[in-house]
Amino acid sequence: GNSVTQMEGPVTLSEEAFLTINCTYTATGYPSLFWYVQYPGEGLQLLLKATKADDKGSNKGFEATYRKETTSFHLEKGSVQVSDSAVYFCAPCYDKVIFGPGTSLSVIP
Amino acid sequence: SAVISQKPSRDICQRGTSLTIQCQVDSQVTMMFWYRQQPGQSLTLIATANQGSEATYESGFVIDKFPISRPNLTFSTLTVSNMSPEDSSIYLCSGSRGPNTGELFFGEGSRLTVL
Repeated sequence: GNSVTQMEGPVTLSEEAFLTINCTYTATGYPSLFWYVQYPGEGLQLLLKATKADDKGSNKGFEATYRKETTSFHLEKGSVQVSDSAVYFCAPCYDKVIFGPGTSLSVIP
Repeated sequence: SAVISQKPSRDICQRGTSLTIQCQVDSQVTMMFWYRQQPGQSLTLIATANQGSEATYESGFVIDKFPISRPNLTFSTLTVSNMSPEDSSIYLCSGSRGPNTGELFFGEGSRLTVL
C-alpha cells in the first residue's frame, strides 16, 4: 500500500539555523503533497501544499518542492524561530491522506 | 478556513464504558473524517463519515467499536465503545471542502483517557 517516510526527531536547532525535514512517499500515481503542523496545545493545521510535479509550496517562510523523480517533498526553512517549535507531518494524498510519523522540532534561543 | 468544533475537549473514563464525541462543522465542509492520534504517534484514519448512511471504515476499525453517525451535512458523532486503556488517544474530527483534496481542517481534538 501507499506509505510515507519522514525524518524522525526530535530535532533541536538554534534560532536562525537552517531547517530541513526529509519526506519521501511511495510513487503510486501522482499524489498531492502536504505538510501539516501541530503547534503545542493547538490543533493540526495545513502548512503548505503542492499538487503536481515541480510545484513549490510555501508559507510562513517554509518551502517544499514536489520532486517526482526522487519521490520527495522535503520541508525547508532558511532561518527558524522559536515560534516554529512544533510537530511537522508530511502527508501525501492518494485516495485519502496518509500522515507521516511526525517530526518534533524545538528551536532554542 | 473552515470552522470545526469538537466536544468534549477531554475526558477521563472508566474501562468498559462508552463515550460519544460530537463534531460540528461549518457549511464549507463537505467531507468529514475521524482520526485517532495515539500518544506520541501520528494520525490514523478511523473512518469517513457519510451523510445519512453508514461510515466507511479503514482497515483495523469496525463499526461495533467505533460507531459513527452523520445525520446531516454539518454534524457527526464518534462513539468509542466498551473502552479499554488502549483506547486512550486524541480523537480528531476533520473535514475538507471537496472529495480527495487532501486539504483538511481539524478540530482541536478530544483527549480521552481510559482508566
